Amino acid sequence: DGGITQSPKYLFRKEGQNVTLSCEQNLNHDAMYWYRQDPGQGLRLIYYSQIVNDFQKGDIAEGYSVSREKKESFPLTVTSAQKNPTAFYLCASSISDNEQFFGPGTRLTVL
Amino acid sequence: QKEVEQDPGPLSVPEGAIVSLNCTYSNSAFQYFMWYRQYSRKGPELLMYTYSSGNKEDGRFTAQVDKSSKYISLFIRDSQPSDSATYLCAMNRGYQKVTFGTGTKLQVIP
Repeated sequence: DGGITQSPKYLFRKEGQNVTLSCEQNLNHDAMYWYRQDPGQGLRLIYYSQIVNDFQKGDIAEGYSVSREKKESFPLTVTSAQKNPTAFYLCASSISDNEQFFGPGTRLTVL
Repeated sequence: QKEVEQDPGPLSVPEGAIVSLNCTYSNSAFQYFMWYRQYSRKGPELLMYTYSSGNKEDGRFTAQVDKSSKYISLFIRDSQPSDSATYLCAMNRGYQKVTFGTGTKLQVIP
């Protein structure tokens, strides 16, 4: 089956910890994205990558980091510098920038 | 002012009703328009993808774009309880960042 997988589904973080969210796709898409979704605010772009070994900051990149060492993988690290990390995190991929296909999401909670 | 405005709802309709979901936007350069359906605690699922003005139909769903009014709509005919979800509109200029609406929550009552 072709698709996008995210893991874990639920993640709990203590104050001061860095955590890494996994995103893998087997759609052979070049572009991959990370969004954060909060109630009433829609989807906000954190980082995106249009090609391996290259990525750009989105609208809310502070406190986050990414890497793109393989076409299939685009992990997101939420660092301790992110002051309000509790949210639903969504990874997406696309051939172009238009039609984006989303993974099932990771819900991160800070304890 | 947000680039894309979408009524958050919730919108409650009886089963079998025709549903109209709408977004307005301010950026006249937007050319590509998308509708996503998101069930609770799941990732958004692409429903419709249109380019430029006009209508596009797919089963019970019709997407409508009016670029002169900067207004897009998604119509759902013969609505079913399984249509209960949040619907997100999205748009961009092509090969640029996609801008999403905040979503409209729809409840179809059996």
